[in-house]
Amino acid sequence: KAGVTQTPRYLIKTRGQQVTLSCSPISGHRSVSWYQQTPGQGLQFLFEYFSETQRNKGNFPGRFSGRQFSNSRSEMNVSTLELGDSALYLCASFGQPANTGELFFGEGSRLTVL
Amino acid sequence: QKEVEQNSGPLSVPEGAIASLNCTYSDRVSQSFFWYRQYSGKSPELIMSIYSNGDKEDGRFTAQLNKASQYVSLLIRDSQPSDSATYLCAAFPNRDDKIIFGKGTRLHILP
Repeated sequence: KAGVTQTPRYLIKTRGQQVTLSCSPISGHRSVSWYQQTPGQGLQFLFEYFSETQRNKGNFPGRFSGRQFSNSRSEMNVSTLELGDSALYLCASFGQPANTGELFFGEGSRLTVL
Repeated sequence: QKEVEQNSGPLSVPEGAIASLNCTYSDRVSQSFFWYRQYSGKSPELIMSIYSNGDKEDGRFTAQLNKASQYVSLLIRDSQPSDSATYLCAAFPNRDDKIIFGKGTRLHILP
């Protein structure tokens, strides 16, 4: 069974640009959550989706947004990029409608903002 | 603010010895606890989950939970160089809440 797929794996942007990251969960998984990982802050929760509805949201500015499609694929968007947005963005899916805490992570999208 | 605290390390352990990783959490409501392993340049991978007080063993790994002390630990017996990674402790209050991760402990197994 294929794992969580994230695209693109690496990208470089400049300040002020916007970026869209994509995540396809494990087949059959309907829930997706997004995390930002930086060396200083560790794993920070961005948002969680189930059946196209945002179920939970972390403490990030409105420049960070996401959505989930009917096929469970999810995208996150960061507008007006700042240098501090450079990070590894991880998507995780889980199989149950309710989050049990057991997450399956994708390989991540590493964003560098210059 | 709910927090999970871990010593960042690095924790250096000789090959074959027992590695002991510790974690404390601030939220008494949390019911589920997890250990994720993250190799350098890779994504986290779930290796242990524990839900009740006491020990849970899986191969060379033992997770220990003490809810009264709000303390979770992970023991790795017969440490191998392949165990060198960052270990993330996570607490999960309930299904309507979000998982809280610690910043991780870097473990280095010395050959």
